[in-house]
Amino acid sequence: AQKITQTQPGMFVQEKEAVTLDCTYDTSDPSYGLFWYKQPSSGEMIFLIYQGSYDQQNATEGRYSLNFQKARKSANLVISASQLGDSAMYFCAMREQTGANNLFFGTGTRLTVIP
Amino acid sequence: EADIYQTPRYLVIGTGKKITLECSQTMGHDKMYWYQQDPGMELHLIHYSYGVNSTEKGDLSSESTVSRIRTEHFPLTLESARPSHTSQYLCASSRSGQGVVITEAFFGQGTRLTVV
Repeated sequence: AQKITQTQPGMFVQEKEAVTLDCTYDTSDPSYGLFWYKQPSSGEMIFLIYQGSYDQQNATEGRYSLNFQKARKSANLVISASQLGDSAMYFCAMREQTGANNLFFGTGTRLTVIP
Repeated sequence: EADIYQTPRYLVIGTGKKITLECSQTMGHDKMYWYQQDPGMELHLIHYSYGVNSTEKGDLSSESTVSRIRTEHFPLTLESARPSHTSQYLCASSRSGQGVVITEAFFGQGTRLTVV
Protein backbone atom coordinates (compact mmCIF):
# COMPACT_ATOMS: atom_id res chain seq x y z
CA ALA A 1 0.00 0.00 0.00
CA GLN A 2 1.16 3.53 -0.72
CA LYS A 3 2.45 5.17 2.41
CA ILE A 4 2.13 8.69 1.02
CA THR A 5 -0.54 9.83 -1.44
CA GLN A 6 -0.56 13.13 -3.27
CA THR A 7 -3.63 13.30 -5.50
CA GLN A 8 -2.89 16.58 -7.26
CA PRO A 9 -0.40 16.10 -10.11
CA GLY A 10 -0.54 19.82 -10.88
CA MET A 11 -1.88 22.97 -9.29
CA PHE A 12 -2.11 26.58 -10.41
CA VAL A 13 -2.31 29.60 -8.14
CA GLN A 14 -2.43 33.32 -8.75
CA GLU A 15 0.49 35.29 -7.41
CA LYS A 16 -0.16 36.58 -3.85
CA GLU A 17 -2.94 34.05 -3.28
CA ALA A 18 -2.78 31.09 -0.90
CA VAL A 19 -2.71 27.48 -2.09
CA THR A 20 -3.14 24.11 -0.38
CA LEU A 21 -1.29 21.01 -1.53
CA ASP A 22 -2.86 17.77 -0.35
CA CYS A 23 -1.11 14.85 1.29
CA THR A 24 -2.52 11.77 2.99
CA TYR A 25 -0.48 9.04 4.62
CA ASP A 26 -0.85 5.51 5.86
CA THR A 27 0.91 4.10 8.89
CA SER A 28 0.17 1.98 11.93
CA ASP A 29 3.18 3.35 13.79
CA PRO A 30 2.10 5.76 16.56
CA SER A 31 5.34 7.71 16.19
CA TYR A 32 6.14 9.27 12.83
CA GLY A 33 7.21 12.47 11.19
CA LEU A 34 5.78 14.21 8.15
CA PHE A 35 7.87 16.41 5.88
CA TRP A 36 7.43 18.65 2.88
CA TYR A 37 10.15 19.27 0.33
CA LYS A 38 10.35 21.66 -2.60
CA GLN A 39 12.16 20.68 -5.78
CA PRO A 40 12.80 23.50 -8.26
CA SER A 41 13.65 22.77 -11.87
CA SER A 42 17.33 22.72 -10.91
CA GLY A 43 16.69 19.40 -9.19
CA GLU A 44 17.79 19.85 -5.59
CA MET A 45 15.46 18.93 -2.73
CA ILE A 46 14.80 21.76 -0.29
CA PHE A 47 13.34 20.93 3.12
CA LEU A 48 10.39 23.18 3.99
CA ILE A 49 8.58 22.00 7.10
CA TYR A 50 7.93 19.00 9.32
CA GLN A 51 5.24 17.83 11.71
CA GLY A 52 5.69 15.19 14.39
CA SER A 53 2.84 12.80 15.10
CA TYR A 54 2.69 13.89 18.73
CA ASP A 55 2.78 17.60 18.02
CA GLN A 56 -0.38 19.28 19.22
CA GLN A 57 -0.07 22.37 17.08
CA ASN A 58 0.25 22.71 13.34
CA ALA A 59 3.76 23.50 12.19
CA THR A 60 4.53 26.85 10.60
CA GLU A 61 7.64 28.17 8.87
CA GLY A 62 7.27 31.61 7.41
CA ARG A 63 4.78 31.42 4.54
CA TYR A 64 4.49 27.65 4.92
CA SER A 65 2.11 25.95 7.30
CA LEU A 66 1.11 22.36 7.68
CA ASN A 67 -2.55 21.53 8.22
CA PHE A 68 -2.22 18.34 10.27
CA GLN A 69 -5.38 16.31 10.75
CA LYS A 70 -4.26 13.17 12.53
CA ALA A 71 -7.59 11.34 12.56
CA ARG A 72 -7.91 11.81 8.82
CA LYS A 73 -4.21 11.03 8.29
CA SER A 74 -3.68 14.14 6.26
CA ALA A 75 -0.84 16.66 6.27
CA ASN A 76 -1.64 19.35 3.75
CA LEU A 77 0.85 22.10 2.96
CA VAL A 78 -0.49 25.64 2.84
CA ILE A 79 1.56 28.29 1.08
CA SER A 80 0.36 31.82 1.75
CA ALA A 81 1.00 34.85 -0.45
CA SER A 82 2.36 32.79 -3.35
CA GLN A 83 5.38 34.10 -5.21
CA LEU A 84 6.64 33.31 -8.70
CA GLY A 85 9.61 31.57 -7.11
CA ASP A 86 7.27 29.07 -5.48
CA SER A 87 6.74 27.38 -8.84
CA ALA A 88 8.25 23.92 -8.35
CA MET A 89 7.49 20.30 -7.52
CA TYR A 90 6.41 19.70 -3.94
CA PHE A 91 6.84 16.35 -2.25
CA CYS A 92 5.25 15.09 0.93
CA ALA A 93 7.25 12.51 2.87
CA MET A 94 6.96 10.42 6.02
CA ARG A 95 9.40 8.74 8.38
CA GLU A 96 8.25 6.06 10.82
CA GLN A 97 9.84 5.28 14.17
CA THR A 98 9.93 1.52 13.60
CA GLY A 99 11.75 -0.33 10.88
CA ALA A 100 14.48 1.25 8.88
CA ASN A 101 13.31 4.84 9.57
CA ASN A 102 13.55 5.58 5.89
CA LEU A 103 11.87 8.56 4.28
CA PHE A 104 8.97 7.61 1.99
CA PHE A 105 7.92 10.12 -0.65
CA GLY A 106 4.68 10.80 -2.47
CA THR A 107 4.43 11.30 -6.21
CA GLY A 108 4.61 15.07 -5.92
CA THR A 109 2.53 18.05 -6.99
CA ARG A 110 3.75 20.51 -9.60
CA LEU A 111 2.79 24.02 -8.50
CA THR A 112 2.69 26.83 -11.04
CA VAL A 113 2.32 30.40 -9.82
CA ILE A 114 0.65 32.66 -12.37
CA PRO A 115 1.62 36.35 -12.45
CA GLU B 1 22.63 25.17 4.42
CA ALA B 2 23.17 21.43 4.07
CA ASP B 3 26.74 20.16 3.81
CA ILE B 4 26.22 17.29 1.43
CA TYR B 5 27.87 17.21 -1.95
CA GLN B 6 27.41 15.17 -5.07
CA THR B 7 29.71 14.94 -8.05
CA PRO B 8 29.44 15.07 -10.94
CA ARG B 9 26.42 17.31 -11.33
CA TYR B 10 25.84 16.10 -14.89
CA LEU B 11 27.26 13.02 -16.62
CA VAL B 12 26.81 11.76 -20.16
CA ILE B 13 28.42 8.41 -20.74
CA GLY B 14 28.40 5.57 -23.25
CA THR B 15 26.74 2.22 -22.79
CA GLY B 16 28.90 -0.37 -21.04
CA LYS B 17 31.05 2.09 -19.12
CA LYS B 18 31.63 1.80 -15.40
CA ILE B 19 30.68 4.88 -13.43
CA THR B 20 30.83 6.00 -9.84
CA LEU B 21 28.65 8.76 -8.46
CA GLU B 22 30.20 10.46 -5.48
CA CYS B 23 28.40 11.64 -2.36
CA SER B 24 29.98 13.17 0.71
CA GLN B 25 28.58 14.84 3.81
CA THR B 26 30.34 16.75 6.56
CA MET B 27 27.57 16.65 9.14
CA GLY B 28 28.63 13.38 10.75
CA HIS B 29 25.31 11.76 9.91
CA ASP B 30 25.05 8.02 10.38
CA LYS B 31 22.34 7.41 7.83
CA MET B 32 22.81 7.96 4.14
CA TYR B 33 20.53 7.26 1.19
CA TRP B 34 20.47 7.06 -2.58
CA TYR B 35 17.28 7.88 -4.43
CA GLN B 36 16.55 7.53 -8.12
CA GLN B 37 14.16 9.99 -9.73
CA ASP B 38 12.95 10.27 -13.31
CA PRO B 39 12.08 13.84 -14.41
CA GLY B 40 8.96 15.13 -12.69
CA MET B 41 8.36 11.85 -10.93
CA GLU B 42 8.57 10.52 -7.39
CA LEU B 43 11.76 9.55 -5.60
CA HIS B 44 12.52 5.86 -5.24
CA LEU B 45 14.89 4.64 -2.54
CA ILE B 46 17.52 2.34 -4.07
CA HIS B 47 20.12 2.07 -1.30
CA TYR B 48 20.65 3.15 2.28
CA SER B 49 23.22 2.80 4.99
CA TYR B 50 23.02 2.89 8.77
CA GLY B 51 26.70 3.56 9.17
CA VAL B 52 30.18 2.36 8.25
CA ASN B 53 30.17 -1.09 6.61
CA SER B 54 26.37 -1.16 6.61
CA THR B 55 24.45 -1.06 3.32
CA GLU B 56 20.96 -2.19 2.42
CA LYS B 57 18.89 -2.27 -0.74
CA GLY B 58 15.91 0.03 -0.92
CA ASP B 59 12.41 -0.40 -2.24
CA LEU B 60 13.33 -0.09 -5.91
CA SER B 61 15.54 -2.77 -7.37
CA SER B 62 18.69 -1.33 -8.84
CA GLU B 63 21.70 -2.77 -10.63
CA SER B 64 23.91 -0.28 -8.85
CA THR B 65 26.02 -1.03 -5.80
CA VAL B 66 27.13 1.15 -2.90
CA SER B 67 29.81 1.12 -0.26
CA ARG B 68 30.28 2.86 3.09
CA ILE B 69 33.88 2.67 4.17
CA ARG B 70 33.87 6.08 5.82
CA THR B 71 31.02 7.83 7.60
CA GLU B 72 31.14 10.84 5.31
CA HIS B 73 31.35 9.02 1.98
CA PHE B 74 28.67 6.94 0.21
CA PRO B 75 29.53 6.34 -3.46
CA LEU B 76 27.23 4.58 -5.91
CA THR B 77 28.67 2.45 -8.70
CA LEU B 78 27.25 1.12 -11.94
CA GLU B 79 29.53 -1.58 -13.36
CA SER B 80 28.08 -1.37 -16.86
CA ALA B 81 25.88 1.60 -17.66
CA ARG B 82 22.83 1.16 -19.89
CA PRO B 83 20.34 3.66 -21.33
CA SER B 84 17.75 2.40 -18.82
CA HIS B 85 19.97 3.85 -16.07
CA THR B 86 19.36 7.36 -17.39
CA SER B 87 17.86 9.25 -14.47
CA GLN B 88 18.61 11.69 -11.67
CA TYR B 89 20.34 10.22 -8.63
CA LEU B 90 19.92 12.04 -5.33
CA CYS B 91 22.02 11.39 -2.27
CA ALA B 92 20.76 12.29 1.21
CA SER B 93 21.81 11.96 4.83
CA SER B 94 20.19 12.24 8.23
CA ARG B 95 21.14 11.68 11.83
CA SER B 96 19.94 8.64 13.70
CA GLY B 97 19.17 8.02 17.33
CA GLN B 98 16.59 9.54 19.62
CA GLY B 99 14.05 11.69 17.87
CA VAL B 100 14.84 10.20 14.52
CA VAL B 101 11.32 10.65 13.20
CA ILE B 102 11.57 14.41 13.38
CA THR B 103 14.85 14.57 11.57
CA GLU B 104 14.72 15.77 8.03
CA ALA B 105 16.98 14.32 5.40
CA PHE B 106 19.45 16.70 3.78
CA PHE B 107 19.91 16.28 0.06
CA GLY B 108 22.74 16.88 -2.32
CA GLN B 109 22.14 18.67 -5.60
CA GLY B 110 21.81 15.42 -7.50
CA THR B 111 23.58 13.85 -10.45
CA ARG B 112 21.77 13.83 -13.76
CA LEU B 113 23.00 10.75 -15.58
CA THR B 114 22.47 10.17 -19.27
CA VAL B 115 23.63 6.92 -20.83
CA VAL B 116 23.82 6.98 -24.61
